[in-house]
This record gives sequence, structure tokens and C-alpha cells, in this order.
Amino acid sequence: GDSVTQMEGPVTLSEEAFLTINCTYTATGYPSLFWYVQYPGEGLQLLLKATKADDKGSNKGFEATYRKETTSFHLEKGSVQVSDSAVYFCALSTSSNTGKLIFGQGTTLQVKP
Amino acid sequence: DGGITQSPKYLFRKEGQNVTLSCEQNLNHDAMYWYRQDPGQGLRLIYYSQIVNDFQKGDIAEGYSVSREKKESFPLTVTSAQKNPTAFYLCASSIGGLANTGELFFGEGSRLTVL
Repeated sequence: GDSVTQMEGPVTLSEEAFLTINCTYTATGYPSLFWYVQYPGEGLQLLLKATKADDKGSNKGFEATYRKETTSFHLEKGSVQVSDSAVYFCALSTSSNTGKLIFGQGTTLQVKP
Repeated sequence: DGGITQSPKYLFRKEGQNVTLSCEQNLNHDAMYWYRQDPGQGLRLIYYSQIVNDFQKGDIAEGYSVSREKKESFPLTVTSAQKNPTAFYLCASSIGGLANTGELFFGEGSRLTVL
């Protein structure tokens, strides 16, 4: 079945360091891909998305490129801040008419000053 | 402001009791969802509803029930049949149907603890 695999956390970085969180997927058809972020004690918020191969999603300095050849959607940011500390979830949607998302297990990012 | 409201934020339950978690949205979305979040396991889909008076089981529906009598409301009941109900529960909504972009809008969650 369809699935999403993320790199295990927690990831601990110093402020201004470069961030990569790996995400790979298995899916039939042509999924849409998403990154959601969850700040402590809150629900999830959409961070960015890409709906077809080679699309790049970007928001708040974060980027991810939909790579069909490697079935990946890695999240990157050039310079992290303490306020980026959160849990990041990669997700895919293969059924546009139901809106169901399949989530990865989440990666906790902790940024230290 | 439009959004999704979940209540209560924290809930304690004794074993053998049913509890109902509320989810209300004023986004005029057709589709609504309930996810369960456990540490290290990501989010798992419990139930979803694409339209009023209709809903479908997700991946872990056993021990849960839902209703969708109104477009804006999708309450979740955690029954005594749920073997391990302690978790963080998230409600979400989306536009639904052919206009659906796959983006979900989430509430802030309800944390249920069984004593």
C-alpha cells in the first residue's frame, strides 16, 4: 500500500545551521506531496506542497522538490532559527476526491541558540 | 476568524466510560477527518466524512464512532471497546470533492488520558 517514510529524529541543530529532513514515499499513481509542521501543543499546519514531479514547494524559507525518479520530497532550510523547533510531517495524497492523507511518523527538530 | 475548534483540550476518563470529543468548523468545508496521534507513530486516520450524513472508516476505526448530522460538526466518541484510548486526537477538514487540493486544516487537538 501507499506509505511515507521519514528520517528518524530527533534532529538537533544550532541556530543558522542547514536543515535537511529526508522523506521518501511509495505510492501508485501520481500523488501530491505535503510537509506539515506541528508546534508544541498545537495541531498541524500546512508548510508547503507539490502536486507534480519536479515541482518545488516553498514557504518561510523552507523548500522541498518533488523527485519522482527517487520518490523523494526532502525538506530543506538554509538557516534554521530557534522558532523552527517543531515536529515536521511528510504526507501524501493519492486520492484527490477523498482528501485522505497518509502521514510519515514525524521528525522532531530542536534548534538551540 | 474561520477555523476548526476542538473541545475539550484535555480530558480524563475512567476505564469503561465512553467519551465524546467535539469538532466544529466554520470554513464551509465538505470533508472532515479524525486522526489519532501517538508518539513515534505519526497520524493515523480513524474516520472521515466527505458529506453530511455519510462517513467512512479509516485505518483504525475499531472502538470509535462518529456522526455527521451537520456540515460544521463531526463529533468522535471513544467507546469502552477502544483498548488503548490514551492519545492526542486531531480533527481536520478540507474542501472536499473535485475542488480538493489535498490540504487539510487542523484543530488544536484534544488530549485524552485514561486513568
